[in-house]
Amino acid sequence: SAVISQKPSRDICQRGTSLTIQCQVDSQVTMMFWYRQQPGQSLTLIATANQGSEATYESGFVIDKFPISRPNLTFSTLTVSNMSPEDSSIYLCSVQALARPQTQYFGPGTRLLVL
Amino acid sequence: AQRVTQPEKLLSVFKGAPVELKCNYSYSGSPELFWYVQYSRQRLQLLLRHISRESIKGFTADLNKGETSFHLKKPFAQEEDSAMYYCALNIPYGNNRLAFGKGNQVVVIP
Repeated sequence: SAVISQKPSRDICQRGTSLTIQCQVDSQVTMMFWYRQQPGQSLTLIATANQGSEATYESGFVIDKFPISRPNLTFSTLTVSNMSPEDSSIYLCSVQALARPQTQYFGPGTRLLVL
Repeated sequence: AQRVTQPEKLLSVFKGAPVELKCNYSYSGSPELFWYVQYSRQRLQLLLRHISRESIKGFTADLNKGETSFHLKKPFAQEEDSAMYYCALNIPYGNNRLAFGKGNQVVVIP
C-alpha cells in the first residue's frame, strides 16, 4: 500500500488568512484526491488533483477558495483561502496506487481550526 | 445521482454478539463498493472490497444488487472492532472518485 504523509497535522488559524496543506506519497500514483470531513460529518470530495493540469472540482467547491497544485506524481498541495470558521474541518489527501486502481489510501489528515 | 446511505449513526453491541452495519446505495451502473474503517486516532483504511469477496478481521459484506445493499456483518464482535465504519461507492467514470456514506460509530461493550 502507499504511504501518505500530510503537513501540517493540525493548525489553528485566524479568519481571513490562508493555509496550504501538503500531501506526499512514497510511490507514484495515478489519482490524488482532497476530501473534507467536517465535525460529525462524512467525507466530502473537494477535488481531484491532476498532474500537470488544473484540478477537477466537485459541485460546491471552487478553485479560488481551494486552489490545488500537483507538480508531479507524488506530491500535491491544497490551499484553504480566506478562511472562515466554517472551514474548520479535517482535510484528507487520498491516492489511488498504480497497482490497485480501485483502492484509495488515505493520509492521516490535517485538522484545521479557524477562529 | 450516486448516493450511499448508512441509516444508523451509532451502534452499540456486546462483545460476542453479532454486528451488522447497513449500507444501501443508489447507482445506475455496475457498482463497486467498499467498507472503510477508522479506529481511534488512526487514519481511514480500507477494510474490504466487494469485488474481492474476502473476509477481513471476521467481517464480510455481500453485494445484493436486487436490494441495492452492501451490508457489513460479523458474527461475534470483539472490543477491537470499536471504530467508525464508512461504506463507499466508487464512481468509475472520469476520476474514479468515492462517494461515502455518513458512517457508523460502532461501540463494542465488554
